[in-house]
Amino acid sequence: AQSVTQPDIHITVSEGASLELRCNYSYGATPYLFWYVQSPGQGLQLLLKYFSGDTLVQGIKGFEAEFKRSQSSFNLRKPSVHWSDAAEYFCAVGTGNQFYFGTGTSLTVIP
Amino acid sequence: ETGVTQTPRHLVMGMTNKKSLKCEQHLGHNAMYWYKQSAKKPLELMFVYNFKEQTENNSVPSRFSPECPNSSHLFLHLHTLQPEDSALYLCASSQGDSDGNTIYFGEGSWLTVV
Repeated sequence: AQSVTQPDIHITVSEGASLELRCNYSYGATPYLFWYVQSPGQGLQLLLKYFSGDTLVQGIKGFEAEFKRSQSSFNLRKPSVHWSDAAEYFCAVGTGNQFYFGTGTSLTVIP
Repeated sequence: ETGVTQTPRHLVMGMTNKKSLKCEQHLGHNAMYWYKQSAKKPLELMFVYNFKEQTENNSVPSRFSPECPNSSHLFLHLHTLQPEDSALYLCASSQGDSDGNTIYFGEGSWLTVV
């Protein structure tokens, strides 16, 4: 069965520091992978997605993610975090019109 | 602006009221979804419609009644709700059944049941 695991419920980083949010998936076929961000009281906004090709994908707001098939991972990274990046981040796997979301990682950014 | 518009953004209703949430997508998609997001809980898929036909109902109580008159519009009719139904209700859309779909979300409707 398909599933997505985000092992970190909450992460705190200092502004300007680098960030890595972990995502592991379980999926039998070629995965279609996504990262979304949710600011308080808002919907989920697509940050980036991986369908095929280059395993390092670039997204909006300076985020990138790397697909590693051998580790079943799709970790999200940002070299320098800004205070406005504080939000909830969701990893997802999609197949057809079915999407499986992780439980989210809450990011706090301290000055 | 994601192309998925939800109204109202905020709704307060009594347990005996009847109200509806509305969702409209301007992306030319064929599939639409309702999700429930409660505090401290994962996203819960409620309903999926594909080409106006309901393809998934995740054991949602009958006090939630979806309606999809066409591929661009989705409603969630609410009646005799309980306080535990208070949550953020998210509408979403995607292209349809094909692989490589991306799902896009609206801003959500905050529902408070008093």
